[in-house]
Amino acid sequence: SQQGEEDPQALSIQEGENATMNCSYKTSINNLQWYRQNSGRGLVHLILIRSNEREKHSGRLRVTLDTSKKSSSLLITASRAADTASYFCATDAFSGYALNFGKGTSLLVTP
Amino acid sequence: DAMVIQNPRYQVTQFGKPVTLSCSQTLNHNVMYWYQQKSSQAPKLLFHYYDKDFNNEADTPDNFQSRRPNTSFCFLDIRSPGLGDAAMYLCATSTSGNQPQHFGDGTRLSIL
Repeated sequence: SQQGEEDPQALSIQEGENATMNCSYKTSINNLQWYRQNSGRGLVHLILIRSNEREKHSGRLRVTLDTSKKSSSLLITASRAADTASYFCATDAFSGYALNFGKGTSLLVTP
Repeated sequence: DAMVIQNPRYQVTQFGKPVTLSCSQTLNHNVMYWYQQKSSQAPKLLFHYYDKDFNNEADTPDNFQSRRPNTSFCFLDIRSPGLGDAAMYLCATSTSGNQPQHFGDGTRLSIL
């Protein structure tokens, strides 16, 4: 069942600005992942943060995780038009293989 | 480059006519997944294989079947497609559970 919920559903910014997307989930997790999906394409894995980690960086991406609030955020710094895509958070259970994806945030970066 | 390949990218079938979607991988991953994604929605897991062990999600309709004849290939069979089955079907792989998944570009299925 769908567990993650992203906020906002849509975000429009200009190139060079930062974009922040939030994800909330309901049950305990092993780790949380963020994916990007360009229109008409498959999902691309961006970053995985484990439940015992609080922050993780990868290039212009910064992910935070607050397990007490059951929430995560994805920050994209100095955004580019090529960052235009949908961004999904995905949570897993401690056992099993299923990833539960949120509904996603649609990000539009205009030049 | 190692990758996940889905064929065809676009598939049109008639209402009730069986259709098969295919996925191949060169990553040699143990786990393969099939997701259904409808417009502006999250991907929904249909089933997955760990090696040859098949795992069906509880709410996957009986209309959907899957085969994994070897490590590299996995097929999604829709026995009698209905209009509600029109969607993007995504194949993904991973080394094991809870690890990053590698997705193909999907097959967009239309039902006439």
